[in-house]
Amino acid sequence: DTGVSQDPRHKITKRGQNVTFRCDPISEHNRLYWYRQTLGQGPEFLTYFQNEAQLEKSRLLSDRFSAERPKGSFSTLEIQRTEQGDSAMYLCASSLGKTGVYFGPGTRLTVT
Amino acid sequence: KQEVTQIPAALSVPEGENLVLNCSFTDSAIYNLQWFRQDPGKGLTSLLLIQSSQREQTSGRLNASLDKSSGRSTLYIAASQPGDSATYLCAREVTTDSWGKFQFGAGTQVVVTP
Repeated sequence: DTGVSQDPRHKITKRGQNVTFRCDPISEHNRLYWYRQTLGQGPEFLTYFQNEAQLEKSRLLSDRFSAERPKGSFSTLEIQRTEQGDSAMYLCASSLGKTGVYFGPGTRLTVT
Repeated sequence: KQEVTQIPAALSVPEGENLVLNCSFTDSAIYNLQWFRQDPGKGLTSLLLIQSSQREQTSGRLNASLDKSSGRSTLYIAASQPGDSATYLCAREVTTDSWGKFQFGAGTQVVVTP
């Protein structure tokens, strides 16, 4: 058990470019969550999966954002046509049913 | 709009002092509540989980209480150490079925000076 991992840890991109982040949850965790955190604020819920099904999406998740978890294991979060307001830390977390929720180290996105 | 408020926003204490961190909610509909720790540039580490039927949880030097009637939770850290320096976040579940879907406060940034 190596914990939740996220890749890349840092991403700098120019406005208008597309970016994709990957999250590998703890093995056998059936739930996977994405959050976004801006400087000085707490994380905000974006979406979550149970196995491969995306069960809920926040209103924060505009049409430019898409998340997938194709085989119920790793997940990707894609942002199309990035904007400066997308600059944030993107956190992934996983859990097995209603047990503890474990967060990854995050991907810090900077849009220039 | 439901909000989670943490007071104070920042706190600096000398080593050995006890820490008291507060978390409050705009409505008293509270399900499970968790306290997390976040080190600079890092993810979150769960410290204590208080289930909706509980009033407090303890782990080592940490104690968290939950008063649902007043919509408040308090995290106590006894005999603080420099290694306790971090941002502490409280988070509550939004509904009974939303395990892992949290509403977070903005956090309290703690600095413990040697």
